[in-house]
Amino acid sequence: GQNIDQPTEMTATEGAIVQINCTYQTSGFNGLFWYQQHAGEAPTFLSYNVLDGLEEKGRFSSFLSRSKGYSYLLLKELQMKDSASYLCAVSDSNYQLIWGAGTKLIIKP
Amino acid sequence: IAGITQAPTSQILAAGRRMTLRCTQDMRHNAMYWYRQDLGLGLRLIHYSNTAGTTGKGEVPDGYSVSRANTDDFPLTLASAVPSQTSVYFCASSGGTGPTDTQYFGPGTRLTVL
Repeated sequence: GQNIDQPTEMTATEGAIVQINCTYQTSGFNGLFWYQQHAGEAPTFLSYNVLDGLEEKGRFSSFLSRSKGYSYLLLKELQMKDSASYLCAVSDSNYQLIWGAGTKLIIKP
Repeated sequence: IAGITQAPTSQILAAGRRMTLRCTQDMRHNAMYWYRQDLGLGLRLIHYSNTAGTTGKGEVPDGYSVSRANTDDFPLTLASAVPSQTSVYFCASSGGTGPTDTQYFGPGTRLTVL
């Protein structure tokens, strides 16, 4: 079967750094996406990785290791507005997205 | 530019009733998708359309139907609603169906079936 695992909830402090992990087992792999979803809103695209390594985009970075079936999203200089759920999704052999349940990130002042 | 719009925003529906959720995009995207999102579960694909005139079944298609008469619109119909269809429904679109095609989401419809 296909499976995406993420921690259910994480808590971090404003100004700090947090790493959200995602492990996956899917039928085929055509890339991994991270989305951000604020409560009551639609998911919005953050990043896409298809090759191993780190992709940096401002305060957010995403890492992929295909051999380990593992990715993480790194958020630096946390701000209160970063309180949201972070969704990991893998594009499978049919280019359909398989989604994790999401990690709810709580930022404390 | 509105992107993707969905209607209604929310709805309470009696079991057994028929309901159509509307989705319209103005980005001229070829591919469109319907997902449901339930607490503790990831987004689950209900139906998709790779291009106007074609549709396909996703992970959880039972009890739902779709049509894609043109590029912009992708309505989702519940023929006879049941309480297990209580969920938040998101419509999404992407330019194509390749691995780098990012999906963009509408604001969602919160549906409660009693």
